[in-house]
Amino acid sequence: DTEVTQTPKHLVMGMTNKKSLKCEQHMGHRAMYWYKQKAKKPPELMFVYSYEKLSINESVPSRFSPECPNSSLLNLHLHALQPEDSALYLCASSQDAQGGNTIYFGEGSWLTVV
Amino acid sequence: DQQVKQNSPSLSVQEGRISILNCDYTNSMFDYFLWYKKYPAEGPTFLISISSIKDKNEDGRFTVFLNKSAKHLSLHIVPSQPGDSAVYFCAASVGFEEYGNKLVFGAGTILRVKS
Repeated sequence: DTEVTQTPKHLVMGMTNKKSLKCEQHMGHRAMYWYKQKAKKPPELMFVYSYEKLSINESVPSRFSPECPNSSLLNLHLHALQPEDSALYLCASSQDAQGGNTIYFGEGSWLTVV
Repeated sequence: DQQVKQNSPSLSVQEGRISILNCDYTNSMFDYFLWYKKYPAEGPTFLISISSIKDKNEDGRFTVFLNKSAKHLSLHIVPSQPGDSAVYFCAASVGFEEYGNKLVFGAGTILRVKS
């Protein structure tokens, strides 16, 4: 069982809606991540938070807005998305943000933009 | 520019036999390698990892081999079981990356274990 919990599992939203994806981990990890995965493709990194501070933004459009309220929680706020943003959004965590740490993934949130 | 390559899109193996999944990389700075297993509609599950200071790591039925000179790693599953049928991703990272732990994934290999 994964110790990274994501809600909701499925989300359908219109292009003018505002919604949020939520992620929680209780492993005491200090790095948290958002990845995006399209069908038949590998996961692609979007954001990295290290000790609750954004350390990497992989040139993600501003319609995706991450937030890390504390070391256990990570949110992804969504606004004015496009149909091509439909994908599996994966939250992950690791001990810290140094390379060489194993990254553990949640089960993902399936997002459909209509 | 694919830094991590899994050149076999799929592999079919008989139950009880060995499954060998291969991965090549181009970035000589990579020094930590991981294998993940992914079922449809689920997130990737961590399987096994290896640091560049080793050439082999074993965990139960799973063994990862690393050949640094060839920039090649492989995952061996022995014996293969039908429940192993999934997509397997190879991933790599650079230790002490200044700004964060960036995993680079291969395209994945679909493993089918036939009973």
